[in-house]
Amino acid sequence: AQTVTQSQPEMSVQEAETVTLSCTYDTSESDYYLFWYKQPPSRQMILVIRQEAYKQQNATENRFSVNFQKAAKSFSLKISDSQLGDAAMYFCAIGLMDSNYQLIWGAGTKLIIKP
Amino acid sequence: GAGVSQSPSNKVTEKGKDVELRCDPISGHTALYWYRQSLGQGLEFLIYFQGNSAPDKSGLPSDRFSAERTGGSVSTLTIQRTQQEDSAVYLCASSFSRGFPYEQYFGPGTRLTVT
Repeated sequence: AQTVTQSQPEMSVQEAETVTLSCTYDTSESDYYLFWYKQPPSRQMILVIRQEAYKQQNATENRFSVNFQKAAKSFSLKISDSQLGDAAMYFCAIGLMDSNYQLIWGAGTKLIIKP
Repeated sequence: GAGVSQSPSNKVTEKGKDVELRCDPISGHTALYWYRQSLGQGLEFLIYFQGNSAPDKSGLPSDRFSAERTGGSVSTLTIQRTQQEDSAVYLCASSFSRGFPYEQYFGPGTRLTVT
């Protein structure tokens, strides 16, 4: 069975600083995608960044970047220059080709931005 | 353009009653997903529709749960004889097609409270 673990229930960071959210996963599959989603208090899930497992290069999206370590099954999210609008729940998810493209989700990390 | 919409936003019902939750996906999206999010948890896959194909119901937790999608567009999730453990946020998502890298776009969810 596939699992996704986010070991940090809550993280806080000073505005303008950098924070890293951790995510580990377990799968025996070789083809998969990894995602970070953000869920603000409005409850609407928003895709932050996506990584294809077959790509060695880490994905980046403006202030958001990932550190993808395939052998270690680790997929951390780095947020640079944190902004108040980054405050939200962050969820890591894995999508497997052989599972109807369902997403398996971690339990989430609550990110608090201190002004 | 309009995003995924869900109604009602909040629903309080008595144990044993039936409820219907509605999802209106983005126009043109052929894939539609239902997820359940319990407090402090990640998302749990419930059911998936793709075009005119038979839905993937593998995530439905019991036969009290059912869903349909009419005309390849609007979907209704029905929970019969609700139980307190059904209390959760029910999220709907749609995407252009099955699979990756098609992004799933989420609605704001329906918060269901069973008293």
